[in-house]
Amino acid sequence: DADVTQTPRNRITKTGKRIMLECSQTKGHDRMYWYRQDPGLGLRLIYYSFDVKDINKGEISDGYSVSRQAQAKFSLSLESAIPNQTALYFCATSGPPGGGGYNEQFFGPGTRLTVL
Amino acid sequence: GNSVTQMEGPVTLSEEAFLTINCTYTATGYPSLFWYVQYPGEGLQLLLKATKADDKGSNKGFEATYRKETTSFHLEKGSVQVSDSAVYFCALSDTFSNFGNEKLTFGTGTRLTIIP
Repeated sequence: DADVTQTPRNRITKTGKRIMLECSQTKGHDRMYWYRQDPGLGLRLIYYSFDVKDINKGEISDGYSVSRQAQAKFSLSLESAIPNQTALYFCATSGPPGGGGYNEQFFGPGTRLTVL
Repeated sequence: GNSVTQMEGPVTLSEEAFLTINCTYTATGYPSLFWYVQYPGEGLQLLLKATKADDKGSNKGFEATYRKETTSFHLEKGSVQVSDSAVYFCALSDTFSNFGNEKLTFGTGTRLTIIP
């Protein structure tokens, strides 16, 4: 079974609709992240959370909100979707920093979102 | 700010060819450097990393050396296989961000296709 799962895997919606993307993990990690991937732009961080009570904005948080319902669940919402939010969205997790500081991030399979 | 510039794709090679994907970076301080790989339909996976100058990261026959003098971290493999077909992302971690070494800045990705 996958350690980081995302639902749905694909979604088509219309402008102005509210949509929620969900992420669950079984790795027992405290830290969770949401990224979006656009062709030619790589991955950009939307929000991150270090534990259930800690939520932080990333570099492109406008138009998005998140909810950390439990250690294992981190949801991304688009309150009123617009076409330029069409992208591939990834959830990731990591444990606390290990020796040397960095700890690997583990990614889900992604959600492809199309806003018409 | 930090940035990562990597070789634009797509790159198409024949099986057993030598691979180089160039990556250069701009960063303050002493970042850690990474290569992530994204196979079709999957999330990103850490391929290799290097945390200080002159370190060489290696995995699955891939190698990259952290060159501080040229601010580069080029990915190489001596003999590629069809199974290496994927998108490769160079990334760096920001040692001076609010959350230490875990803020990743990604390059735009290079799509690699290996033909038999």
